[in-house]
Amino acid sequence: AQSVAQPEDQVNVAEGNPLTVKCTYSVSGNPYLFWYVQYPNRGLQFLLKYITGDNLVKGSYGFEAEFNKSQTSFHLKKPSALVSDSALYFCAVRGEYSGAGSYQLTFGKGTKLSVIP
Amino acid sequence: NAGVTQTPKFQVLKTGQSMTLQCAQDMNHEYMSWYRQDPGMGLRLIHYSVGAGITDQGEVPNGYNVSRSTTEDFPLRLLSAAPSQTSVYFCASSSTGRPNTGELFFGEGSRLTVL
Repeated sequence: AQSVAQPEDQVNVAEGNPLTVKCTYSVSGNPYLFWYVQYPNRGLQFLLKYITGDNLVKGSYGFEAEFNKSQTSFHLKKPSALVSDSALYFCAVRGEYSGAGSYQLTFGKGTKLSVIP
Repeated sequence: NAGVTQTPKFQVLKTGQSMTLQCAQDMNHEYMSWYRQDPGMGLRLIHYSVGAGITDQGEVPNGYNVSRSTTEDFPLRLLSAAPSQTSVYFCASSSTGRPNTGELFFGEGSRLTVL
């Protein structure tokens, strides 16, 4: 079974400071990893993904994520936080294709990011 | 480009009532799924489908039915609503083409309250 852990329910950061939202995962085989963002009363929006290749993945709105296979982590980062980055962030994982059920994404419980002016 | 469209956005039901949450996508995606989002629980998969006529259960299927008669539509039915089904429901779809990178496209959500 695949699983995702987001150890922090909430992360507070001052505007202009770097931010990190943590994620660890468990999956059989090579992982496909994703970050999504949810603004209040909205659906989830795709931010970035890691499939293979460079361990540092760049995504939307200046976000990036670092894949670390030995630590089974996929932390989300941004060099300089904006107040508009305040939202709920979800990490998700799936395994390599092995049948119809492979398309399922398993999500973490989410981390609320608050950027303080 | 509409993407994934869910209706209704809000619904209040009484215990025991039935209803259907509608989901339609215009991206020709074979894979469609329903999740529920509850505080502190993240998103949990209810049912999914990999094409017309093919559905399967996810993590929390009890109390819900689905069918997939067309590629575009994937309705979620609550047969006898219970207060435990108060939640925000999201429909999501993705391509199954190969190579498949698997990102899901989400609707805006349907907020259901069962009294």
